[in-house]
Amino acid sequence: GQQLNQSPQSMFIQEGEDVSMNCTSSSIFNTWLWYKQDPGEGPVLLIALYKAGELTSNGRLTAQFGITRKDSFLNISASIPSDVGIYFCAGMNYGGSQGNLIFGKGTKLSVKP
Amino acid sequence: DSGVTQTPKHLITATGQRVTLRCSPRSGDLSVYWYQQSLDQGLQFLIQYYNGEERAKGNILERFSAQQFPDLHSELNLSSLELGDSALYFCASSVVGGLGYTFGSGTRLTVV
Repeated sequence: GQQLNQSPQSMFIQEGEDVSMNCTSSSIFNTWLWYKQDPGEGPVLLIALYKAGELTSNGRLTAQFGITRKDSFLNISASIPSDVGIYFCAGMNYGGSQGNLIFGKGTKLSVKP
Repeated sequence: DSGVTQTPKHLITATGQRVTLRCSPRSGDLSVYWYQQSLDQGLQFLIQYYNGEERAKGNILERFSAQQFPDLHSELNLSSLELGDSALYFCASSVVGGLGYTFGSGTRLTVV
């Protein structure tokens, strides 16, 4: 089945730093999504990308849909403490009656000690 | 509050038992999705229902079943529970053809 490889698995941030994470797939998707999950909560949608090459921003977050349709990245600029959490990429293909999301295993953002 | 309601929030049960998890989708959403999240497997898609009918099946065990009722709420039934079934179970909903699901806060199942 389709698999998403998300990296890095974890990273430490210091307030004010920029953060980058990416997601690659063995097959193409026609939609890429980025979610954030806080402890004890469900994932919350941050950014949705619908077109290859598309670059979309949501405040300090910027995400891109790779040209090959097999990858996507998420950048967070000038990180703040509330950025801590787990970030998931997800891919989706629409066709027929199916539209389920395939998730990466997440990138855990923590504050540098 | 995401608008997707899951109950109960926590559940502790013994091996071999059966439990039912409940999900009420966001108002207006016809599709309901169930996901299992365990530490080493991330979020795994289990099953999707659309307006009462099963639409897609993922890595759902035969011991697990689900249904969506006429009022659109959904239930996930887990039977003959094993220790390895301990996980967070999330329900998500979306509008017809909607992109980007809305997730509930999950049910944490602990099998002892």
